[in-house]
Amino acid sequence: AQTVTQSQPEMSVQEAETVTLSCTYDTSENNYYLFWYKQPPSRQMILVIRQEAYKQQNATENRFSVNFQKAAKSFSLKISDSQLGDTAMYFCAFMKHVTGNQFYFGTGTSLTVIP
Amino acid sequence: NAGVTQTPKFQVLKTGQSMTLQCAQDMNHEYMSWYRQDPGMGLRLIHYSVGAGITDQGEVPNGYNVSRSTTEDFPLRLLSAAPSQTSVYFCASSPGQGAGYEQYFGPGTRLTVT
Repeated sequence: AQTVTQSQPEMSVQEAETVTLSCTYDTSENNYYLFWYKQPPSRQMILVIRQEAYKQQNATENRFSVNFQKAAKSFSLKISDSQLGDTAMYFCAFMKHVTGNQFYFGTGTSLTVIP
Repeated sequence: NAGVTQTPKFQVLKTGQSMTLQCAQDMNHEYMSWYRQDPGMGLRLIHYSVGAGITDQGEVPNGYNVSRSTTEDFPLRLLSAAPSQTSVYFCASSPGQGAGYEQYFGPGTRLTVT
C-alpha cells in the first residue's frame, strides 16, 4: 500500500503572507498523480491542484503552486497572498496511474489564516 | 448538473442495524468511490468501481458491501452496524484520465452508531 505523510497537523499564517504545507509519500511506482484537496468547515472536498509524476514542471493554479521533488518523494503546497477563505483542512493525496481510482490520503493539515 | 449527491446527510443507528447510504452522480462518470473520514486519519478508501457491474475493495472494506448496477448510482451497505463505523462517509466520482483523474466529492454523510 502507498503511504502519504503530512507532518504538520496545524499551521497558521497571517493574511497576505505565504505559507508552505508539506507532504511526503512512499511508493515504488514510477507513474502516478498527486493532488492537494481543501476541506473548509462546510466539509466539502475541493480540488486545489494536481501534479502528474512524469511532468517535471511544477503545477500552478493562481495563488497555489507545488514543489514536486520526485526523487525525494516530496510534494509541498505553497499558498501565496493568503486569504481568510483559505482557512481549511488541506489533504495531500496519491493515486497510481494504472488504477485510475485508488486514492491514498494523508492525515491533513489544518490551516488558519489570521486577519 | 447536481454533481454528486448523497443521502442521508445525517444518520443515527443502533448496533446491529443495517442501512444503505445512497450516492448518485449525473456527470456520466465511470469511476466512483466510497471513503470514510475519521478524526486524525484523513480519508480512507472503502470500495470503488471502475464502471457499471465492476467493483473492488479498498483499504477498509470489512463490514461494507457495494454494487454498481448503473453508471449513476453506487450505494454503500452497512450489513450490521458497529460503533467503529461511526464516521463521515464521502462518495466521489471521476471521469478518469481525460480530466486528470479529478475526483468530485459529495457533501458527505455523518453516521453515528450507538
